Amino acid sequence: GIQVEQSPPDLILQEGANSTLRCNFSDSVNNLQWFHQNPWGQLINLFYIPSGTKQNGRLSATTVATERYSLLYISSSQTTDSGVYFCAVGDFNKFYFGSGTKLNVKP
Amino acid sequence: EAQVTQNPRYLITVTGKKLTVTCSQNMNHEYMSWYRQDPGLGLRQIYYSMNVEVTDKGDVPEGYKVSRKEKRNFPLILESPSPNQTSLYFCASSPGGSSTNEKLFFGSGTQLSVL
Repeated sequence: GIQVEQSPPDLILQEGANSTLRCNFSDSVNNLQWFHQNPWGQLINLFYIPSGTKQNGRLSATTVATERYSLLYISSSQTTDSGVYFCAVGDFNKFYFGSGTKLNVKP
Repeated sequence: EAQVTQNPRYLITVTGKKLTVTCSQNMNHEYMSWYRQDPGLGLRQIYYSMNVEVTDKGDVPEGYKVSRKEKRNFPLILESPSPNQTSLYFCASSPGGSSTNEKLFFGSGTQLSVL
C-alpha cells in the first residue's frame, strides 16, 4: 500500500500563531484529503486537494502531486483548532491515512 | 440533514461473542467504507464497498465481515471478536470512490472494547 508520513507529530502553538503541517506520500495518488479530528473524536473534512491550492478562511492547503507532498497552513490559530490533523490519500478506491499531527493551541 | 450514522457509540463485549456495528447514510452515496483508529497508527481501512453487493478488502480485513444489501447500509460484523480488535471504528461514505473528486464523510465513531 501507499505510505503516508505526516510531520510534525506534535505541535504546540500560542493562540494567534501560524503553522504548516506536512504530508508526504510514497506513490502517485488520485485523491488527497485533509481532516481535522476534534477533541470529541469527530472527523471533519477540511479539503479535497489532489493537486493545486485551495483556501477556506484561515486554512489553506497546497498539494504538489509530482513531488508527492501536501501542506496544510493554519493562520492566526485559535483554541478551537486544537485536535489531530490527518492527511489521507486514495488510490483504486483504497484510502491510506497518515498517523496525524496533534495540535494544541494555548490561549 | 445529510449524515452518516453509526450505532452504537460505545460497545463493551467479551471475546467470541458475535457483534454488529451498523452504518447508514442518507446521501445516496455509492461508496462506503470502514476504518479502525488505533493510537499512533492513524486510520486503517478495513473494507470498502463501491455499490450494492460489491465489497472489497482494505488494508486490515482479517477478523471482519461486511455486507452491502442496500445502498444506504453497510454493517461491520465481528463474528468472533478478540481483544486485539479493541479500537475506535469509523464508517465513511462518498458519492464515488477515490478516483472521483469527492470527499469522504465520516460517522461519529464506535468505541469497541473486547474483554
